[in-house]
Amino acid sequence: EAQVTQNPRYLITVTGKKLTVTCSQNMNHEYMSWYRQDPGLGLRQIYYSMNVEVTDKGDVPEGYKVSRKEKRNFPLILESPSPNQTSLYFCASSFLARARGTEAFFGQGTRLTVV
Amino acid sequence: GESVGLHLPTLSVQEGDNSIINCAYSNSASDYFIWYKQESGKGPQFIIDIRSNMDKRQGQRVTVLLNKTVKHLSLQIAATQPGDSAVYFCAENGSGNTGKLIFGQGTTLQVKP
Repeated sequence: EAQVTQNPRYLITVTGKKLTVTCSQNMNHEYMSWYRQDPGLGLRQIYYSMNVEVTDKGDVPEGYKVSRKEKRNFPLILESPSPNQTSLYFCASSFLARARGTEAFFGQGTRLTVV
Repeated sequence: GESVGLHLPTLSVQEGDNSIINCAYSNSASDYFIWYKQESGKGPQFIIDIRSNMDKRQGQRVTVLLNKTVKHLSLQIAATQPGDSAVYFCAENGSGNTGKLIFGQGTTLQVKP
């Protein structure tokens, strides 16, 4: 089954404790991205990757890191989480064949709480 | 700047009626638009898309209309069912070749039995 898999689904952590949210897709998509979803703010892009070893900042990259060592995986790293990073996070992937127009597939989300 | 907006945060309809969810976009360079449905506790799911060379596209019970003159698109759901209750997002691809999608704020559709 074609899917984007995120782990964990739920995470409660303390300020400053490094964490990683994993994302994996099995559709051979070139493009992967991370979004955070907050009430009243919609979906905002954190980072994206257009292919292996190619990553770039989205709209709200501060406090986050990503890596793209393999095509299927795109982990999101919070080196020193803070309470303002409490949010619902989504990983998404898509083909980039036509770059400007392609459906994105989303993971189920990771609800992160930083206390 | 780039933005995609929805006119109403909440839409309440009677089961069996047709629903119309609206979206305004500001980037005239956008040439691809998608509607997503997000049910509680789940990630956004693709419903239907449309390219700027079209003004209408139909799916199963859903129709998307695109008016490039006023930069407006809408999602029409026929014979709305309780399972249609969700948050609906429109998205555009904006300018540039990054593959990025720009999302609107979302409209919550509530279906009354």
